Amino acid sequence: DGGITQSPKYLFRKEGQNVTLSCEQNLNHDAMYWYRQDPGQGLRLIYYSQIVNDFQKGDIAEGYSVSREKKESFPLTVTSAQKNPTAFYLCASSIAGAPYNEQFFGPGTRLTVL
Amino acid sequence: DQQVKQNSPSLSVQEGRISILNCDYTNSMFDYFLWYKKYPAEGPTFLISISSIKDKNEDGRFTVFLNKSAKHLSLHIVPSQPGDSAVYFCAARGGATNKLIFGTGTLLAVQP
Repeated sequence: DGGITQSPKYLFRKEGQNVTLSCEQNLNHDAMYWYRQDPGQGLRLIYYSQIVNDFQKGDIAEGYSVSREKKESFPLTVTSAQKNPTAFYLCASSIAGAPYNEQFFGPGTRLTVL
Repeated sequence: DQQVKQNSPSLSVQEGRISILNCDYTNSMFDYFLWYKKYPAEGPTFLISISSIKDKNEDGRFTVFLNKSAKHLSLHIVPSQPGDSAVYFCAARGGATNKLIFGTGTLLAVQP
């Protein structure tokens, strides 16, 4: 049963702490993405990776970091440098290199910083 | 600068009628457009897409229309059902990286 999993679904952290959000996919997709959704706004791209051991900043990368050591995994770390970390975080994956391919999304993680 | 705009934050439609959701974009280099449906606290699910070489794509109750000269696309849902109530995002892709630019979403409420 292929798909994308994100864990945990809800996460609470104290201000000033780093936190890592998990994203795993078994769709054999090369490309993976992290988005952030805030109320009344669309999805904004944080980081993306087209291939293992390579990733690029998206539109709002400040205060975040990622790694892509395995094809299946693309964890996102929200650092204490992120000014407004409370948000809904979405991970996605897609086939890379093909002309027309949709991105498949995970269920999301709601991060609340207290 | 918002490259993909959904100017209607919400839309209410009666069950059985047509729902029309609109999306405008500014970048003429966009070559692929998608619609996603999203329920609260869940990830978006892909609904339908259209490439820039077409002006219409249909899948069951869902049809997407693309007007390149106006830089406008729309999603038609006929007939609308209560289960269609969700937030709908349009997205556009430009370039080889497959990066998507999303609109701000339209909340569709289908009244029974």
